[in-house]
Amino acid sequence: DSGVTQTPKHLITATGQRVTLRCSPRSGDLSVYWYQQSLDQGLQFLIQYYNGEERAKGNILERFSAQQFPDLHSELNLSSLELGDSALYFCASSSRDRVFAHYGYTFGSGTRLTVV
Amino acid sequence: GNSVTQMEGPVTLSEEAFLTINCTYTATGYPSLFWYVQYPGEGLQLLLKATKADDKGSNKGFEATYRKETTSFHLEKGSVQVSDSAVYFCALRGGAQKLVFGQGTRLTINP
Repeated sequence: DSGVTQTPKHLITATGQRVTLRCSPRSGDLSVYWYQQSLDQGLQFLIQYYNGEERAKGNILERFSAQQFPDLHSELNLSSLELGDSALYFCASSSRDRVFAHYGYTFGSGTRLTVV
Repeated sequence: GNSVTQMEGPVTLSEEAFLTINCTYTATGYPSLFWYVQYPGEGLQLLLKATKADDKGSNKGFEATYRKETTSFHLEKGSVQVSDSAVYFCALRGGAQKLVFGQGTRLTINP
C-alpha cells in the first residue's frame, strides 16, 4: 500500500455522462497531481494542487476539472464523457512543492475508466 | 520544455539476460531523474532516482547513472528475472513541480 488512495478502482459509464474520481494523498503530503494514462498518449500530466490551490496545469481538457479540499483529498471531475476518455487515471502526492525537486511522487493504484 | 525519450518497446528477454533500457532527456537547469516501474494492474512505483550529475541510483539489482554530458539515464540490470516483467518509465523533475515521463517500455522476461 503506497498510502495514496484512489476510488473507485473501476468505473464504467456511458458517453455524455459525468463522473468524479477521488484521491486521498499520503499522510503529510500537500501536493496532489493527476495523470491520465492511455494506450496512445502514454502518461499525461493533467493538473496539480498544492494545499488547496491549483499550481500547474497540463493537458487537461475543458470538460475536466479538479479541486483539492481542506482535508487535502482531491477530486477529478470528468464531464460530457467521450469514448476517447477511457483511460487509467492516476493520482500522485508529494511532500514538497517547487523547491525540493529531488523528491519523487507516490502514486495511487489508479482508477480505470471505461466509457461505452 | 522538458522532455524524456525512452527506447521503444516491447523488450523481450530470457531469464538471467542483461538488460538495458535507454533513456535520454532534454531539460533546462539540473533536473532530478527517476525510473518508475508499473507491474500489471498496479500503479507506478519509484524504482530509483538520481538528483545530480554522476549520481548512481540503485534498487533491486537495477542501476542507472545520471550522465549530464550525454543527457542520459539508462536503466541496467545484470540478470533479469521473470518477476521483472513490467512497464518501465523514465522521468525527470525540473524546477517546476510536475514529473515529465517517457512513453514507457514494456519488458517481458521469459523463463
